[in-house]
Amino acid sequence: DQQVKQNSPSLSVQEGRISILNCDYTNSMFDYFLWYKKYPAEGPTFLISISSIKDKNEDGRFTVFLNKSAKHLSLHIVPSQPGDSAVYFCAASGYRGSSNTGKLIFGQGTTLQVKP
Amino acid sequence: NAGVTQTPKFRILKIGQSMTLQCTQDMNHNYMYWYRQDPGMGLKLIYYSVGAGITDKGEVPNGYNVSRSTTEDFPLRLELAAPSQTSVYFCASRRGGDEKLFFGSGTQLSVL
Repeated sequence: DQQVKQNSPSLSVQEGRISILNCDYTNSMFDYFLWYKKYPAEGPTFLISISSIKDKNEDGRFTVFLNKSAKHLSLHIVPSQPGDSAVYFCAASGYRGSSNTGKLIFGQGTTLQVKP
Repeated sequence: NAGVTQTPKFRILKIGQSMTLQCTQDMNHNYMYWYRQDPGMGLKLIYYSVGAGITDKGEVPNGYNVSRSTTEDFPLRLELAAPSQTSVYFCASRRGGDEKLFFGSGTQLSVL
């Protein structure tokens, strides 16, 4: 049972355009969401996160949007650059407070290719 | 600043062999995790630890064991390797109160 789903295995965009990566989740107890970027032969690296008390979080060219009613989040990259070509994973966490063990649930990943 | 270090980077095992994947972090993080990533799949949690001497099972623990004798080290043991354990293994850590995981560069394991 996939609690976090990234339904698009791949996405190709032109340099300078917007990249939109989508993620859906099923568990309403999730209250913190993260995006990770992964290059080949490297471990995932943290990109941006959002708490369920917000609907938007920006960091430079990266913006994450959260729609709690639809259980949907998206990552926008504007403008896209060739160096953004990587696999992007969304992840969700629903364990808060002192007993939090940070057991992130990951989606399957979306491979983004930004063409020069 | 090394962060999370995993060894080895690559390994080929024969069915039935055993091995230990090493993971060490120098950030004094209490929380450590082992994930595996299969092709086209997300990362699945194998085991985790909330501090030295404390470990617990994740989503896919069968065929693996862990120990946490120090804050820095969190080795993953494979006993009686099977082809289903062919995967890329990632170790990660985080500090308390922060959801961000810091990952190692991974160990690519093939069981033939």
